[in-house]
Amino acid sequence: TQLLEQSPQFLSIQEGENLTVYCNSSSVFSSLQWYRQEPGEGPVLLVTVVTGGEVKKLKRLTFQFGDARKDSSLHITAAQPGDTGLYLCAGVRNNDMRFGAGTRLTVKP
Amino acid sequence: KAGVTQTPRYLIKTRGQQVTLSCSPISGHRSVSWYQQTPGQGLQFLFEYFSETQRNKGNFPGRFSGRQFSNSRSEMNVSTLELGDSALYLCASSFGGLGGNEQFFGPGTRLTVL
Repeated sequence: TQLLEQSPQFLSIQEGENLTVYCNSSSVFSSLQWYRQEPGEGPVLLVTVVTGGEVKKLKRLTFQFGDARKDSSLHITAAQPGDTGLYLCAGVRNNDMRFGAGTRLTVKP
Repeated sequence: KAGVTQTPRYLIKTRGQQVTLSCSPISGHRSVSWYQQTPGQGLQFLFEYFSETQRNKGNFPGRFSGRQFSNSRSEMNVSTLELGDSALYLCASSFGGLGGNEQFFGPGTRLTVL
């Protein structure tokens, strides 16, 4: 069982659509990070959220950390084919980092 | 600024053999973490080294070991390879280590065990 559960596992949408992916846990984290990974490459950090209830925006991407610091969501507005990739959340606690299994997003032109 | 480099990029070994993977962090970064990525288990934390000391360890058997040198370069060793060790092995470097510091990942070493 993963410490961090990500949903959905797979998502295929058309360009221009909006989407939300979720990262849930029963554990409390000191911070939570979102990464995007493309084939043949390592994950690249998108954002770090630290405070419960925190909302961060990165162009068309909106990240939210749950009030209890146990869950997070990533919302993409008007998705583009360049958003295609594996989105991973990672929770940090006690100097230990755990990753979710990821959401594989495909945006079709 | 050069990114994190990992060598080799691809490796094929047979069961029972041992393997050593190398990671060169970004200049100035003292923390190197290692991860195993498989389709079934996702990305799993192996261990973190900071200033030549292992600071954190994931839930992997003792066949997986690592070390860090004074120049912060790190190596990971897997002994007595099993088929299930086939995976993408990623290393990541950061200035201060886990706990909110940004980690920069290398491209990974793809290990295939036959």
